Amino acid sequence: DGGITQSPKYLFRKEGQNVTLSCEQNLNHDAMYWYRQDPGQGLRLIYYSQIVNDFQKGDIAEGYSVSREKKESFPLTVTSAQKNPTAFYLCASTPLTGPGDYGYPFGSGTRLTVV
Amino acid sequence: AQSVAQPEDQVNVAEGNPLTVKCTYSVSGNPYLFWYVQYPNRGLQFLLKYITGDNLVKGSYGFEAEFNKSQTSFHLKKPSALVSDSALYFCAVRALNSGNTPLVFGKGTRLSVIA
Repeated sequence: DGGITQSPKYLFRKEGQNVTLSCEQNLNHDAMYWYRQDPGQGLRLIYYSQIVNDFQKGDIAEGYSVSREKKESFPLTVTSAQKNPTAFYLCASTPLTGPGDYGYPFGSGTRLTVV
Repeated sequence: AQSVAQPEDQVNVAEGNPLTVKCTYSVSGNPYLFWYVQYPNRGLQFLLKYITGDNLVKGSYGFEAEFNKSQTSFHLKKPSALVSDSALYFCAVRALNSGNTPLVFGKGTRLSVIA
């Protein structure tokens, strides 16, 4: 099945620890996106990448880092500089020319909790 | 800058009654509009989109949305609500001719359909 796979589904982070969330897609999409979801705040853009080896900051990039070494992969690292990382993280993708008939597909998300 | 407003945090409707979830937007140029639905601890599922053409767009699960350019609105509707429609609904926008730029989301509206 084609789609976006996010792993792990649940992740626990200790204070001062960096953690990496995985996002892989087999849709041959050029662009990939990371959003953060908090209750009552909707989805906020963290980073996005329109082509391999290039990415741009979104609205809330502080405390996060990304890489785009392969077209199908866009991992997100939550660093110790992110003071309030507890949230639900969602990954999305789209072709170079923009969304097709089914919008921007999303992964099933990773719930990150600080312990 | 692009923005989306979903003025209602919560909408309650009786099963079998029509439902409306409101959305207004702001974007430079023509809009590309989307509705997504989210069930607990899941990713976003695409419902429908508007690009151009007929102002009434039909989507998945019997949902439709009405585009109104003068009111900059894109309200989601369904003639007869089901209990299974209870979920979190997001409206999103981007400029039409902007390739694969990120979507901007509203804060979401929680729909509760009561049997």
